[in-house]
Amino acid sequence: DTAVSQTPKYLVTQMGNDKSIKCEQNLGHDTMYWYKQDSKKFLKIMFSYNNKELIINETVPNRFSPKSPDKAHLNLHINSLELGDSAVYFCASSQRGVADEQFFGPGTRLTVL
Amino acid sequence: SQQGEEDPQALSIQEGENATMNCSYKTSINNLQWYRQNSGRGLVHLILIRSNEREKHSGRLRVTLDTSKKSSSLLITASRAADTASYFCATDVSNFGNEKLTFGTGTRLTIIP
Repeated sequence: DTAVSQTPKYLVTQMGNDKSIKCEQNLGHDTMYWYKQDSKKFLKIMFSYNNKELIINETVPNRFSPKSPDKAHLNLHINSLELGDSAVYFCASSQRGVADEQFFGPGTRLTVL
Repeated sequence: SQQGEEDPQALSIQEGENATMNCSYKTSINNLQWYRQNSGRGLVHLILIRSNEREKHSGRLRVTLDTSKKSSSLLITASRAADTASYFCATDVSNFGNEKLTFGTGTRLTIIP
Protein backbone atom coordinates (compact mmCIF):
# COMPACT_ATOMS: atom_id res chain seq x y z
CA ASP A 1 0.00 0.00 0.00
CA THR A 2 1.32 3.41 -0.96
CA ALA A 3 1.51 5.68 2.08
CA VAL A 4 1.59 9.03 0.27
CA SER A 5 0.56 9.09 -3.36
CA GLN A 6 0.60 11.88 -5.91
CA THR A 7 -0.89 12.20 -9.36
CA PRO A 8 0.24 12.81 -11.97
CA LYS A 9 3.90 11.80 -11.82
CA TYR A 10 4.75 13.93 -14.83
CA LEU A 11 3.03 17.07 -16.05
CA VAL A 12 4.05 18.93 -19.20
CA THR A 13 2.08 22.03 -20.08
CA GLN A 14 2.21 25.38 -21.80
CA MET A 15 2.78 28.70 -20.11
CA GLY A 16 -0.45 30.32 -18.99
CA ASN A 17 -2.34 27.08 -18.42
CA ASP A 18 -3.94 26.00 -15.14
CA LYS A 19 -3.10 22.61 -13.67
CA SER A 20 -3.71 20.58 -10.52
CA ILE A 21 -1.69 18.01 -8.62
CA LYS A 22 -3.45 15.64 -6.25
CA CYS A 23 -2.09 14.12 -3.06
CA GLU A 24 -3.51 11.47 -0.77
CA GLN A 25 -2.12 9.86 2.38
CA ASN A 26 -3.47 6.70 4.00
CA LEU A 27 -1.42 7.00 7.19
CA GLY A 28 -4.04 8.80 9.24
CA HIS A 29 -1.71 11.75 9.72
CA ASP A 30 -2.93 15.14 10.85
CA THR A 31 -0.47 17.31 8.92
CA MET A 32 0.22 17.53 5.19
CA TYR A 33 2.70 19.61 3.22
CA TRP A 34 3.64 20.74 -0.24
CA TYR A 35 7.30 21.23 -1.11
CA LYS A 36 9.01 22.49 -4.25
CA GLN A 37 12.38 21.07 -5.30
CA ASP A 38 14.26 23.08 -7.88
CA SER A 39 16.83 21.96 -10.43
CA LYS A 40 19.61 22.27 -7.85
CA LYS A 41 17.75 19.88 -5.54
CA PHE A 42 16.93 22.61 -3.06
CA LEU A 43 13.73 21.66 -1.23
CA LYS A 44 11.51 24.42 0.09
CA ILE A 45 8.23 24.29 2.01
CA MET A 46 5.28 25.89 0.25
CA PHE A 47 2.26 25.05 2.38
CA SER A 48 1.39 23.16 5.51
CA TYR A 49 -2.06 22.02 6.56
CA ASN A 50 -3.15 20.58 9.90
CA ASN A 51 -6.54 18.88 10.03
CA LYS A 52 -7.63 20.66 6.84
CA GLU A 53 -6.56 24.08 8.11
CA LEU A 54 -3.77 26.11 6.53
CA ILE A 55 -0.99 26.76 9.02
CA ILE A 56 1.89 27.79 6.78
CA ASN A 57 1.89 29.71 3.51
CA GLU A 58 5.52 30.31 2.79
CA THR A 59 5.25 33.47 0.64
CA VAL A 60 4.07 31.48 -2.32
CA PRO A 61 2.49 33.47 -5.20
CA ASN A 62 -1.29 33.46 -5.00
CA ARG A 63 -1.36 31.62 -8.33
CA PHE A 64 -0.79 28.57 -6.13
CA SER A 65 -3.87 27.51 -4.19
CA PRO A 66 -3.87 24.43 -1.98
CA LYS A 67 -7.13 22.74 -1.12
CA SER A 68 -7.72 20.16 1.57
CA PRO A 69 -11.16 18.54 1.20
CA ASP A 70 -10.41 16.21 4.12
CA LYS A 71 -7.53 15.24 6.37
CA ALA A 72 -6.24 12.63 3.92
CA HIS A 73 -6.07 14.86 0.85
CA LEU A 74 -4.15 18.00 -0.03
CA ASN A 75 -4.36 19.13 -3.63
CA LEU A 76 -2.38 21.89 -5.30
CA HIS A 77 -3.89 24.04 -8.03
CA ILE A 78 -1.67 26.34 -10.05
CA ASN A 79 -3.09 29.13 -12.20
CA SER A 80 -1.38 30.90 -15.09
CA LEU A 81 1.69 28.68 -15.10
CA GLU A 82 5.06 30.34 -15.65
CA LEU A 83 8.40 28.96 -16.82
CA GLY A 84 9.81 29.38 -13.31
CA ASP A 85 7.19 26.99 -11.94
CA SER A 86 9.03 24.10 -13.56
CA ALA A 87 10.24 21.91 -10.71
CA VAL A 88 9.44 18.72 -8.83
CA TYR A 89 6.61 19.12 -6.34
CA PHE A 90 6.45 16.82 -3.35
CA CYS A 91 3.57 16.16 -1.04
CA ALA A 92 4.34 14.91 2.47
CA SER A 93 2.56 14.10 5.70
CA SER A 94 3.39 13.68 9.37
CA GLN A 95 1.50 12.69 12.48
CA ARG A 96 2.07 15.76 14.63
CA GLY A 97 3.68 18.41 12.48
CA VAL A 98 7.41 18.93 12.36
CA ALA A 99 7.99 17.17 15.67
CA ASP A 100 7.67 13.90 13.75
CA GLU A 101 9.20 12.33 10.68
CA GLN A 102 7.65 13.23 7.39
CA PHE A 103 6.56 10.74 4.75
CA PHE A 104 7.02 11.95 1.20
CA GLY A 105 5.17 11.14 -1.97
CA PRO A 106 7.03 10.16 -5.15
CA GLY A 107 6.90 13.68 -6.55
CA THR A 108 5.34 15.34 -9.60
CA ARG A 109 7.74 16.67 -12.19
CA LEU A 110 6.15 19.78 -13.70
CA THR A 111 7.59 21.16 -16.93
CA VAL A 112 6.24 24.44 -18.25
CA LEU A 113 7.04 25.13 -21.90
CA SER B 1 21.03 32.03 3.06
CA GLN B 2 20.29 28.42 3.95
CA GLN B 3 19.46 27.31 7.47
CA GLY B 4 21.18 23.99 6.85
CA GLU B 5 24.20 23.41 4.73
CA GLU B 6 25.67 19.98 4.12
CA ASP B 7 29.31 19.31 3.65
CA PRO B 8 30.67 17.96 1.41
CA GLN B 9 28.38 18.67 -1.54
CA ALA B 10 29.48 15.41 -3.13
CA LEU B 11 31.28 12.34 -1.81
CA SER B 12 32.50 9.21 -3.62
CA ILE B 13 33.81 6.23 -1.68
CA GLN B 14 34.48 2.55 -2.22
CA GLU B 15 31.90 0.03 -1.15
CA GLY B 16 32.56 -1.12 2.38
CA GLU B 17 34.08 2.18 3.51
CA ASN B 18 32.39 4.54 5.94
CA ALA B 19 30.75 7.76 4.74
CA THR B 20 30.47 10.88 6.88
CA MET B 21 28.34 13.88 6.01
CA ASN B 22 28.07 17.07 8.02
CA CYS B 23 25.29 19.59 8.45
CA SER B 24 25.63 23.08 9.87
CA TYR B 25 22.77 25.34 10.77
CA LYS B 26 22.33 28.89 11.98
CA THR B 27 19.55 29.17 14.55
CA SER B 28 18.48 27.15 17.58
CA ILE B 29 16.50 24.04 16.75
CA ASN B 30 13.91 21.76 18.31
CA ASN B 31 15.02 18.74 16.33
CA LEU B 32 17.14 17.81 13.34
CA GLN B 33 16.23 15.13 10.83
CA TRP B 34 18.16 13.32 8.12
CA TYR B 35 16.55 12.18 4.89
CA ARG B 36 17.72 10.17 1.89
CA GLN B 37 16.61 10.79 -1.68
CA ASN B 38 17.31 8.29 -4.42
CA SER B 39 17.42 9.66 -7.93
CA GLY B 40 13.93 10.46 -9.22
CA ARG B 41 12.24 9.46 -5.96
CA GLY B 42 10.74 11.10 -2.90
CA LEU B 43 12.62 11.66 0.35
CA VAL B 44 12.83 8.90 2.92
CA HIS B 45 13.24 9.68 6.61
CA LEU B 46 16.34 8.19 8.26
CA ILE B 47 16.73 9.56 11.77
CA LEU B 48 15.29 12.31 13.97
CA ILE B 49 17.46 13.66 16.79
CA ARG B 50 16.07 16.09 19.34
CA SER B 51 17.93 19.12 20.64
CA ASN B 52 18.56 17.47 24.02
CA GLU B 53 20.09 14.36 22.44
CA ARG B 54 23.72 14.03 21.40
CA GLU B 55 23.81 10.77 19.48
CA LYS B 56 21.41 8.28 17.88
CA HIS B 57 21.89 5.02 16.07
CA SER B 58 19.78 3.15 13.57
CA GLY B 59 21.29 0.08 11.96
CA ARG B 60 24.38 1.24 10.05
CA LEU B 61 23.54 4.89 10.64
CA ARG B 62 24.93 7.04 13.42
CA VAL B 63 23.88 10.65 13.89
CA THR B 64 25.49 13.13 16.26
CA LEU B 65 24.28 16.56 17.25
CA ASP B 66 26.39 19.35 18.74
CA THR B 67 24.08 22.24 19.58
CA SER B 68 26.97 24.39 20.81
CA LYS B 69 28.55 24.23 17.36
CA LYS B 70 25.18 24.11 15.58
CA SER B 71 26.22 21.06 13.64
CA SER B 72 25.25 17.45 13.04
CA SER B 73 26.92 14.54 11.31
CA LEU B 74 25.58 11.42 9.65
CA LEU B 75 27.85 8.39 9.53
CA ILE B 76 27.02 5.43 7.31
CA THR B 77 29.18 2.44 8.15
CA ALA B 78 30.11 -0.40 5.80
CA SER B 79 28.62 1.39 2.81
CA ARG B 80 26.76 -0.49 0.09
CA ALA B 81 25.99 0.37 -3.52
CA ALA B 82 22.36 0.85 -2.49
CA ASP B 83 23.41 3.75 -0.25
CA THR B 84 24.08 5.83 -3.36
CA ALA B 85 21.69 8.77 -2.99
CA SER B 86 21.45 12.39 -1.89
CA TYR B 87 21.29 13.00 1.84
CA PHE B 88 19.61 16.03 3.38
CA CYS B 89 19.48 17.40 6.88
CA ALA B 90 16.36 19.28 7.93
CA THR B 91 15.92 21.47 10.97
CA ASP B 92 12.81 22.26 12.95
CA VAL B 93 13.08 25.86 14.11
CA SER B 94 9.45 26.21 15.10
CA ASN B 95 8.52 29.28 17.04
CA PHE B 96 5.30 31.14 17.62
CA GLY B 97 3.38 28.52 15.65
CA ASN B 98 5.51 28.86 12.53
CA GLU B 99 6.27 25.16 12.31
CA LYS B 100 8.27 24.04 9.34
CA LEU B 101 11.26 21.97 8.40
CA THR B 102 14.04 23.78 6.61
CA PHE B 103 16.12 21.53 4.40
CA GLY B 104 19.81 21.82 3.70
CA THR B 105 21.53 21.78 0.36
CA GLY B 106 22.24 18.04 0.38
CA THR B 107 25.24 15.75 -0.03
CA ARG B 108 25.34 13.54 -3.09
CA LEU B 109 26.89 10.22 -2.04
CA THR B 110 28.19 7.76 -4.62
CA ILE B 111 29.28 4.29 -3.56
CA ILE B 112 31.68 2.70 -6.01
CA PRO B 113 31.25 -1.10 -6.21
